[in-house]
Amino acid sequence: GAVVSQHPSRVICKSGTSVKIECRSLDFQATTMFWYRQFPKQSLMLMATSNEGSKATYEQGVEKDKFLINHASLTLSTLTVTSAHPEDSSFYICSAGPRGNIQYFGAGTRLSVL
Amino acid sequence: RKEVEQDPGPFNVPEGATVAFNCTYSNSASQSFFWYRQDCRKEPKLLMSVYSSGNEDGRFTAQLNRASQYISLLIRDSKLSDSATYLCVVNGNYGGSQGNLIFGKGTKLSVKP
Repeated sequence: GAVVSQHPSRVICKSGTSVKIECRSLDFQATTMFWYRQFPKQSLMLMATSNEGSKATYEQGVEKDKFLINHASLTLSTLTVTSAHPEDSSFYICSAGPRGNIQYFGAGTRLSVL
Repeated sequence: RKEVEQDPGPFNVPEGATVAFNCTYSNSASQSFFWYRQDCRKEPKLLMSVYSSGNEDGRFTAQLNRASQYISLLIRDSKLSDSATYLCVVNGNYGGSQGNLIFGKGTKLSVKP
């Protein structure tokens, strides 16, 4: 099946640090990737849609200057959490799909900001 | 009304039991429906798509009622390994082909020996 690789799996950082998370589609090209966030005991919430070669589309309430998305190639999207604060601590997951409707998820990145 | 609502759970059942999960969605224009399972502190993994005619995959049966905007998942002969959170998922890009998924909060299942 399609594979999506996400790195790193775990980040612990100090407040004010910027953290970059990578999402790669390994055996297919993805013009669109999605970034989700999941707080404990909550459902996954879409943060933004990453579009190859163009600007990302952010969901309401998600600060685009805080969560920078770059989708420079058909197999890589990155999410940078700038100047991270403790309230940004969460589980961040990306997804992509070879045919759109069925999405495959990266293993997720657990971010802890101290 | 939330876009995707599920039984809150948790469901605690013995091995071998049959368990059913329900889900409702709010937008009648939704076109694609899925059940994912998520293990603790892991990413969601696709369990099965849900088709209008209903579909079965081994011990798992999914059904869709478009008129009632209702989705169900039935698990027969529960195994210990079925313990997970089951997520009802609807494609949010109504009419499009993109993968914007809307997740329910999930129903936690614990299968006991």
